[in-house]
Amino acid sequence: NAGVTQTPKFQVLKTGQSMTLQCAQDMNHNSMYWYRQDPGMGLRLIYYSASEGTTDKGEVPNGYNVSRLNKREFSLRLESAAPSQTSVYFCASTTDYYGYTFGSGTRLTVV
Amino acid sequence: KQEVTQIPAALSVPEGENLVLNCSFTDSAIYNLQWFRQDPGKGLTSLLLIQSSQREQTSGRLNASLDKSSGRSTLYIAASQPGDSATYLCAKSGSARQLTFGSGTQLTVLP
Repeated sequence: NAGVTQTPKFQVLKTGQSMTLQCAQDMNHNSMYWYRQDPGMGLRLIYYSASEGTTDKGEVPNGYNVSRLNKREFSLRLESAAPSQTSVYFCASTTDYYGYTFGSGTRLTVV
Repeated sequence: KQEVTQIPAALSVPEGENLVLNCSFTDSAIYNLQWFRQDPGKGLTSLLLIQSSQREQTSGRLNASLDKSSGRSTLYIAASQPGDSATYLCAKSGSARQLTFGSGTQLTVLP
């Protein structure tokens, strides 16, 4: 099925470790986004890429970096994981006409 | 700061009832208004997208309306079923196409 694919689905990290969350979409969307979802805080935008070759900070970018590898792929990197980054991470892509499509999420625990 | 508010935070109804979920937002500069459904531990599933030039959208038993002048959107669910139990999120996008989410309404439909 067409859509947004995220890997991995689950991950446990130790404080200070690094990792990259992968996201790919096959809908030919220009814009891609990374959100985090926390209890009581809702969904918050971390970074987004309006088009291939561009990236911009969202509401909560500290501690993260992103790479828009090509039109299909948008990765999120945690350079030195902290317990405050324990969250569920969602990747999304969008077109103006069809709205947002979200991936199934990555559940990250930092111990 | 753009804000999106959803009322009520939780709702429990008997099967078969018609119900309305409310969403209000500050900042009338809206591009799209999108309603999502989220099941526990799962990702976001898009239900309805209303573009700024539209007033409502319908899909099956769901109808969503948008009133930009009052900063409100409603999601109407007809003849509710236990399978409708989930958290419903509304989100608006502005000129930069970034979504701002409400905190959601947790719906329980009792058999």
